Formats: sequence, structure tokens, C-alpha cells
Amino acid sequence: GESVGLHLPTLSVQEGDNSIINCAYSNSASDYFIWYKQESGKGPQFIIDIRSNMDKRQGQRVTVLLNKTVKHLSLQIAATQPGDSAVYFCAENWGDYKLSFGAGTTVTVRA
Amino acid sequence: GAVVSQHPSWVICKSGTSVKIECRSLDFQATTMFWYRQFPKQSLMLMATSNEGSKATYEQGVEKDKFLINHASLTLSTLTVTSAHPEDSSFYICSAADPDTYGYTFGSGTRLTVV
Repeated sequence: GESVGLHLPTLSVQEGDNSIINCAYSNSASDYFIWYKQESGKGPQFIIDIRSNMDKRQGQRVTVLLNKTVKHLSLQIAATQPGDSAVYFCAENWGDYKLSFGAGTTVTVRA
Repeated sequence: GAVVSQHPSWVICKSGTSVKIECRSLDFQATTMFWYRQFPKQSLMLMATSNEGSKATYEQGVEKDKFLINHASLTLSTLTVTSAHPEDSSFYICSAADPDTYGYTFGSGTRLTVV
């Protein structure tokens, strides 16, 4: 499943399929980006990060892609599992320790 | 890994009373902590940056006299919602910056309900 458009708030994906979550960031000076997962009633949980000198970074089942030209960030989740159901936020930082969060995408995994 | 403890996890208070929320970094020293507010189905909005030993820096539109922040030690920041009203009901989340790893760790959040 893929979130079409940069501001779609929900994504429904079949268990076992790959998920792609998109994010448009606002500040061209941002040099550090983080993806967070937030389950209902909990604080954000770190998934993966990437610095502006990189285009791609891989973790366990997750990959983050950064396109600075169009200020676009994406999170790919391989073999999506029911436990991946949550809200996913991208966050950007431009050097003063502050994080600015995107709107978030709700991911629902269908069994 | 870095752990941030936030208490209480939920609180119900009467309108007009004050509520204090604590945020502790358990295994690292955090010179900088952040307080966020999150309404249902919305993103996290930064309220203020808490700096150890100095005054907090508030974001535009956040009332500093209503949301009192104290960062008296390298492991503890507190947010006090003064004279709470129903519109202050929200999910409040803290985070701490680990100066050694340049990472951010979030607390588990506090659900505040003002009745």
C-alpha cells in the first residue's frame, strides 16, 4: 500500500504487503529528519532517522528516503505486520534542537 | 537505551485548579527538554523548550503564565498547568535531548482532563 499524495492522513495496507508513508517537510534548511511511530495513548517511538547528507538509510524492515530537491521524506515498511498499525509522524530539525512534526499518517493493517 | 519517564500518565482535575506534570530522564542528563501538546487526531505541537537552570522558551501563542515550566536539575523538568479550564484538556508529552547522542527520547504522555 502507498499513501497517495503528500498529506493523506490514512493508509490501509494488507498484512504482508509493503507500506510507503510520505511526508513533505517545510524547511529547506532542515538537516536532520526522524520518523516516529505513535500508538494510541502513548508517546512517539523512534523508528529511524536520516541526515541531510544522505539519500537513503535502512533499518530493520524500514527504509527512509530523503529527496531534498522537493523536500520530501518517505518511510517504507517491508512486510507490514498488525503491530505496525499506528500513527506515523515525520519530524524535521534545523540545528536548534527543536523538532517540527508533520501532520501524521494513520496506518491500519488488514489481516 | 535512553529512557524518559513522565508522570502522571493521566489526571482529571476540576476547573480552576492547577496540575503538575513531571518529566525525568532516567539514564542520561538532559540539559534541554521539550513540552508538546497533542489534541485528538492531530500532530504534536511544541509548547516550550525547557533549559536547565534558565527560563523556558515558549513558542508563539503559548501563555507562559498559564503553562509554568521548571527545569531545576539535569534530569527533571516540570510543567504546571495553572487555573486549568476544559479547553486545556489534551495529551501533554515531554521529550529530552541526549547531548551525547543527539537523540530525542519521548515520555509516555499525560492525558489531562479538566472537568
